[in-house]
Amino acid sequence: DTEVTQTPKHLVMGMTNKKSLKCEQHMGHRAMYWYKQKAKKPPELMFVYSYEKLSINESVPSRFSPECPNSSLLNLHLHALQPEDSALYLCASSLDGQNTEAFFGQGTRLTVV
Amino acid sequence: GESVGLHLPTLSVQEGDNSIINCAYSNSASDYFIWYKQESGKGPQFIIDIRSNMDKRQGQRVTVLLNKTVKHLSLQIAATQPGDSAVYFCAENNNDYKLSFGAGTTVTVRA
Repeated sequence: DTEVTQTPKHLVMGMTNKKSLKCEQHMGHRAMYWYKQKAKKPPELMFVYSYEKLSINESVPSRFSPECPNSSLLNLHLHALQPEDSALYLCASSLDGQNTEAFFGQGTRLTVV
Repeated sequence: GESVGLHLPTLSVQEGDNSIINCAYSNSASDYFIWYKQESGKGPQFIIDIRSNMDKRQGQRVTVLLNKTVKHLSLQIAATQPGDSAVYFCAENNNDYKLSFGAGTTVTVRA
């Protein structure tokens, strides 16, 4: 199984809503990532978890809150988002985060209205 | 085949020709590089990787070349097919958990 599964595939939320994006992998990978991708742009790193601990936060606003409940799951909690936060949110995982291949999920297309 | 020396945001190639996609990376300390293919509405898909102790690596129909002197990476696709139409990203890693992506090249295959 070389799959990273993200749910939901699409999400529309209002600026006062609270929602969560979910990511799951069963490859035994110990590094998991959240990326944000705007249209026609490359993915931008948001967060990295290594061995279930947050190791990198790329100065992401606090309205985005990551969580890693266990080694297979990664969540991104969303609260009070702005329309400019609309984007494709990608989850990825890699064996240990250090010079190893990262596998990406299909992403969640988020629209903030 | 199509060949460019500099990174271009778009590349149009005739079906059956060879494609060359270029990427300049920024961090001289980076020691691992990946090429990803991203089709519309999908996540990036791994194509091929290369470590800094190598200058060439071949896969099925693809070859990656690494020139550390000028910090340049290229992806060659042999006998380009319609299914190769996508956005191609290079990504670099320097052993610090950060996988950083280049700007991307949109490849369009003409029938």
